[in-house]
Order: sequence, then structure tokens, then C-alpha cells
Amino acid sequence: QKEVEQNSGPLSVPEGAIASLNCTYSDRVSQSFFWYRQYSGKSPELIMSIYSNGDKEDGRFTAQLNKASQYVSLLIRDSQPSDSATYLCAVNLRTALIFGKGTTLSVSS
Amino acid sequence: GAGVSQSPSNKVTEKGKDVELRCDPISGHTALYWYRQSLGQGLEFLIYFQGNSAPDKSGLPSDRFSAERTGGSVSTLTIQRTQQEDSAVYLCASSLVGGDGYTFGSGTRLTVV
Repeated sequence: QKEVEQNSGPLSVPEGAIASLNCTYSDRVSQSFFWYRQYSGKSPELIMSIYSNGDKEDGRFTAQLNKASQYVSLLIRDSQPSDSATYLCAVNLRTALIFGKGTTLSVSS
Repeated sequence: GAGVSQSPSNKVTEKGKDVELRCDPISGHTALYWYRQSLGQGLEFLIYFQGNSAPDKSGLPSDRFSAERTGGSVSTLTIQRTQQEDSAVYLCASSLVGGDGYTFGSGTRLTVV
């Protein structure tokens, strides 16, 4: 069973819309959750971290965590073409982060 | 340094040769990680160093892979007798403490021909 699962996409949204990215994880002991953005040919960049149930907002980004459902999501409001990238969900599993394969987001102008 | 530094940025090697990849983490970061990313694939965990503790080597794919971290800072990932399936981008990351969000280096693109 895969430990961190994401839909590969592509997820296509028009400029100005809300993009919703989802992630599920298998290990209930996980305590830390992260979202990374990776542009083509570049390294992943940390954009959000969340540790407790509920919502965490940072600018246009909102991370949502539901530990009972083992579900993490990322909402991007007012999506911009510059948000087009692959978004990686990562879950702390004992010692190191385990990453999902990522969801590719395409924002059209 | 200001960020995680990796060298070389690109490495082309012949099958069967050994290669060494270097990572210089952010100053003061106690945790250091190696991952690899193959074309179109996710990030595969390789090895984790935390301070002076024994490293977590559970992700190393074979005994051809090894890594060390000297003085709690610079790390070297060594791949012996390289194979074509070793071709990937090797990413190093560091964090202030284990379990925290990482900062990644720009990676080393390894091509085995």
C-alpha cells in the first residue's frame, strides 16, 4: 500500500479560480505534513506546513488537515499562471519525509 | 551558507565507474537527507543523518550506495559500479531538526552511459 497518494493530474483551472489539491496518507502516527511546489527542472520548494487538525492560511494558500480521515489538502485561491507546477504532498514518517508523486497544476490565462 | 549547496550539478559517467556526490547543508541544520528523483517519478528517500546519531540507511536501494557525513556538516553520497538505472537527479536537503520542513539543494543530475 502506497504511503502517500496524490492524483497525478493534470489539474487544469482558469486564472483567478480556486485550485484544490488532495493527498491521503496511510500511517496514523504521522504528525507533520507539508506541501512543496516543484517547477519543471527545479528542486522542490516548501510552501506550507501543517501539524494540527483544521485550516492554516498563508496568503493565497490554505492547507487543511483531517487526521481522522488521514487527509491533507491545499487550496490555492486566485490561481495565477505562475502557480503552474507540480505540487508534492509530504508526510513525516518516523524519521524522514515520505513524498507523494505529485499533482501537476496548469493555470490558463 | 545561505542555501543547500550540491556539486557537481551534472555528472555523466560510464557504467561500472564509481561516483561521489557532495552536499553542503545550511549552517546550523542538524538534519541532512538524500533523495533521488527519476524522470516522471516521485522523490525516493535514500538516507537520513541527524546530528551524531547513526544514520537511517533504510532507503538505500543496494549495497553499491553509501553515504557519510563528516563533522556534522558536509555529506558525500557514493555510488559504486554505477548502473544505467542509477540515472536520476540526486537531491540533498537539510532541516534545523529532524521532522521539520526541508530546504532542498539544486540537485545533481547523474547520467550513466
